[in-house]
Amino acid sequence: GAGVSQSPSNKVTEKGKDVELRCDPISGHTALYWYRQSLGQGLEFLIYFQGNSAPDKSGLPSDRFSAERTGGSVSTLTIQRTQQEDSAVYLCASSARQDEETQYFGPGTRLLVL
Amino acid sequence: AQSVTQLGSHVSVSEGALVLLRCNYSSSVPPYLFWYVQYPNQGLQLLLKYTSAATLVKGINGFEAEFKKSETSFHLTKPSAHMSDAAEYFCAVSDWGDYKLSFGAGTTVTVRA
Repeated sequence: GAGVSQSPSNKVTEKGKDVELRCDPISGHTALYWYRQSLGQGLEFLIYFQGNSAPDKSGLPSDRFSAERTGGSVSTLTIQRTQQEDSAVYLCASSARQDEETQYFGPGTRLLVL
Repeated sequence: AQSVTQLGSHVSVSEGALVLLRCNYSSSVPPYLFWYVQYPNQGLQLLLKYTSAATLVKGINGFEAEFKKSETSFHLTKPSAHMSDAAEYFCAVSDWGDYKLSFGAGTTVTVRA
């Protein structure tokens, strides 16, 4: 079946611009996660959605970062006023309710802020 | 919060040789433990996971890992390396009921012909 998909695969933007990154989880998966992979910080958790519960935003690095999940499926990660240090690969993952500990990752969006 | 330490940022092995990647976690309570593999310009692929059912866990591509509570370790092994095993490997941990993953720094494996 289809895995987690992310778009765009690559994004180049100028410092100060806003960007939106999209994630389509595996069909039927109730949990959705965003992670960031950067050279300096490795793989870091950003935000977690589970069903209709309030999201766990504990990993968001600043208030320039936000995410939403519409209809319990697709999620959008928004970075406002991008900075060069936001350059990274943004990975999305999803998991099923009956196997919640196992996350399946998408291919990522590579963001470059000039 | 859980933390994970991967010993060795880079491992080089000959084709056919044993692959051993080390991972230690910080918790007195056995967590969930995972090994993921990342090929260049791709996302993370799950190799195997430990969820307390058995201490020796077998995964895909001939990899296995052994959970040792006394050593707080979850080392990954493969008896015979193949060229296709060249990739970056991440150990990760999560807690019961709190499934966000904490990752190690990763180990890059190169395989020599």
